[in-house]
Amino acid sequence: GAGVSQTPSNKVTEKGKYVELRCDPISGHTALYWYRQSLGQGPEFLIYFQGTGAADDSGLPNDRFFAVRPEGSVSTLKIQRTERGDSAVYLCASSLGQGPTDTQYFGPGTRLTVL
Amino acid sequence: AQSVAQPEDQVNVAEGNPLTVKCTYSVSGNPYLFWYVQYPNRGLQFLLKYITGDNLVKGSYGFEAEFNKSQTSFHLKKPSALVSDSALYFCAVRDPRRSNYQLIWGAGTKLIIKP
Repeated sequence: GAGVSQTPSNKVTEKGKYVELRCDPISGHTALYWYRQSLGQGPEFLIYFQGTGAADDSGLPNDRFFAVRPEGSVSTLKIQRTERGDSAVYLCASSLGQGPTDTQYFGPGTRLTVL
Repeated sequence: AQSVAQPEDQVNVAEGNPLTVKCTYSVSGNPYLFWYVQYPNRGLQFLLKYITGDNLVKGSYGFEAEFNKSQTSFHLKKPSALVSDSALYFCAVRDPRRSNYQLIWGAGTKLIIKP
């Protein structure tokens, strides 16, 4: 079956611009996660959705970052007034349920470059 | 605080030899442990997980991992390495006592298998 998909695969933008990154989870998966990965590091948690609501947004670095999942499926990560330090690979993952034993399945990521 | 350590930035193994990628964790109680692999320009792929039960867990592509509670370790192993196993490997932990379901990640270990 289809895995997690993310678009675009690459995004280059200028400092100060607004960007949207999209995640399409595996069909039927109720939980969705966003992570950020910098070169040479493990993923850094940003936000977790259970259904339509953000169950935990404690990893969002500041109020320039926002994410939505209006219908409980596709999610969009939004970054306002981008900064060079936002450059990273943004990963999306989904899991079937919300339990701690549920496996998270990852998409290929969106590489964001802020010039 | 919860943490995961992968003490080796890089592991070099000759093809056909056994391989071990080390992971230690710091979580009170009984953690849930995961291994993922990341190929260049691709997302994270799930390999295996330990939840409870048998300390030796078998996963994808011939990999296995051994949970050792006394040493707080979850080392990834494979009896005979393939060149195609060359990739970046991440260990992750989740504390089942916490309602926050985010994974805590190690920094990754680059595995290089030489022909």
